[in-house]
Amino acid sequence: GESVGLHLPTLSVQEGDNSIINCAYSNSASDYFIWYKQESGKGPQFIIDIRSNMDKRQGQRVTVLLNKTVKHLSLQIAATQPGDSAVYFCAEIIYYSSASKIIFGSGTRLSIRP
Amino acid sequence: DGGITQSPKYLFRKEGQNVTLSCEQNLNHDAMYWYRQDPGQGLRLIYYSQIVNDFQKGDIAEGYSVSREKKESFPLTVTSAQKNPTAFYLCASNRGGGETQYFGPGTRLLVL
Repeated sequence: GESVGLHLPTLSVQEGDNSIINCAYSNSASDYFIWYKQESGKGPQFIIDIRSNMDKRQGQRVTVLLNKTVKHLSLQIAATQPGDSAVYFCAEIIYYSSASKIIFGSGTRLSIRP
Repeated sequence: DGGITQSPKYLFRKEGQNVTLSCEQNLNHDAMYWYRQDPGQGLRLIYYSQIVNDFQKGDIAEGYSVSREKKESFPLTVTSAQKNPTAFYLCASNRGGGETQYFGPGTRLLVL
């Protein structure tokens, strides 16, 4: 069946180091992927997205990598800061002929060590 | 949070009571969505609306109802038929189709 999962439910990173959050997906027909950041008690915020015809996209301090061969998505955060502490989850969008479906992963909690 | 607002931030429900959660957006988005989030879990789709006066059930619609009388508004009613309503409720909107969804700040519903 369709699923979007995460390799690690929690990740602890030293402040200033780079963080890598992983996401596996099972549907090879997925066309579009989004990473969201959700701070405690708040709604998810869009971070970065990537289309299936790309394998890398960079934003400010964030990079998303897509490996369609192994159905793997990762979010890299450079020079992790305390404000990066949150739950990060990926979303997978599949386009059908007349509709689309979005599937959310359960999330990885990122904590920052001082 | 963008141009999506949800109210109230916290809501308490008594047994057998219906409660309504508000969601308003000023982004001129056609589509709006309601999700439920339980602790440590991902989002589950309750209802969605792609256009005014039309809405569709999501994966967990039982015990919930919605209306879409205006483009800007998509209120969710949690009815007494929903036996486990305690959760964080998130509203989202987008231009439709597979476009990126933008979320509101959420409403936390608790049962007294």
